[in-house]
Amino acid sequence: EVQLLESGGGLAQPGGSLRLSCAASGFTFSSYTMTWVRQAPGKGLEWVSSISGTGGTTYYADSVKGRFTISRDNSKNTLYLHMNSLKVEDTAIYYCAKDGTDGTPWGQGTLVTVSS
Amino acid sequence: EIVLTQSPGTLSLSPGERATLSCRASQSVRSNYLAWYQQKPGQVPRLLIYGASSRVTGIPDRFSGSGSGTDFTLTISRLEPEDFAVYYCQQYGNPRTFGQGTKLEIK
Repeated sequence: EVQLLESGGGLAQPGGSLRLSCAASGFTFSSYTMTWVRQAPGKGLEWVSSISGTGGTTYYADSVKGRFTISRDNSKNTLYLHMNSLKVEDTAIYYCAKDGTDGTPWGQGTLVTVSS
Repeated sequence: EIVLTQSPGTLSLSPGERATLSCRASQSVRSNYLAWYQQKPGQVPRLLIYGASSRVTGIPDRFSGSGSGTDFTLTISRLEPEDFAVYYCQQYGNPRTFGQGTKLEIK
């Protein structure tokens, strides 16, 4: 069974940092592009970042470019999102997702709250 | 970046009726890399349609997608009570973007 399990969310101060993790299982992790999507409370979905299977290609939304870094460790089947210079508007549930057309369920998400 | 505009913002219909949701892109979507997601309250979004018109395995055939270029449509042929939810379109060229969502509510 394919599973994605996010962790690392919590409360951070504006200007602070957090590192999110997504542990993957049930598929060949290194074969798939992986993505982070976030959803602010009561709002819509926002694509954050994607990384190719090898980790050699990354993409970012303009809203996080220069502050967030996506990475992966294929030996540990784990996806990361390093978040620096956090802003109040980064407050959201962060989901990790596996690319593909099989409809693999996203993870349940991890809540990041940025507040002083 | 490609901006996706969904309409209407809210659609009020009754079970058994047909629902038509629109997603318009600010520029042509490459290779019809257009997907539709369903999100119910308190749940994780679920992929319904990819490639503009291909249904994910296990998704009921009352859901269908169509369109190309800049205009895309999600149609639900006969609404079931469990279909009332928020629907998002997404283009998955890079950078990716989502539409703002259409809330399908019971009339």
